[in-house]
Amino acid sequence: RKEVEQDPGPFNVPEGATVAFNCTYSNSASQSFFWYRQDCRKEPKLLMSVYSSGNEDGRFTAQLNRASQYISLLIRDSKLSDSATYLCVVITNSGYALNFGKGTSLLVTP
Amino acid sequence: DAGVIQSPRHEVTEMGQEVTLRCKPISGHDYLFWYRQTMMRGLELLIYFNNNVPIDDSGMPEDRFSAKMPNASFSTLKIQPSEPRDSAVYFCASSPQGAYEQYFGPGTRLTVT
Repeated sequence: RKEVEQDPGPFNVPEGATVAFNCTYSNSASQSFFWYRQDCRKEPKLLMSVYSSGNEDGRFTAQLNRASQYISLLIRDSKLSDSATYLCVVITNSGYALNFGKGTSLLVTP
Repeated sequence: DAGVIQSPRHEVTEMGQEVTLRCKPISGHDYLFWYRQTMMRGLELLIYFNNNVPIDDSGMPEDRFSAKMPNASFSTLKIQPSEPRDSAVYFCASSPQGAYEQYFGPGTRLTVT
């Protein structure tokens, strides 16, 4: 079983819609959590960190549920430019090695 | 400021040949990471360095793969001999001490025929 699991999608949504992705992790000792974004044929880039109390950055909201071992990302008022693959990332030990999910593909259509 | 620089951007080689991928991290970053990305397996960490010292190479698939970091501004990932199953995009990333955000280079797209 992979340490980080995501629904690969694709999620096809119209502009302006709200869409949510979930990600589950297997190691209960996991310490840090992130969402990265990867555009087609580009490198991954940090979208946002995920804090225990939840955090918001504009149209994006990230939540962490330690009891159920999942992380969520909510995107409100979707834009065409939000089309990308969203990678869930977990750090499971005291080092700096990132464990990536395989990503969830989002396509926002006009 | 320049980001992480990787070369070459594309590499096509024949099975059995040696392949060397290069990476220049962001100046001042203490950590350097090598990843491989395929459709089947997603992004996998191969190895990472802290202050030029390899810390975790448990992701290196086999002895055909080796990585070095002779100084703070340069690292190589070598595959010898290459095989078709090594075809993937190889990313290098760096991060500063104490920070979890990693900055990725544009990647090297490797095709082994």
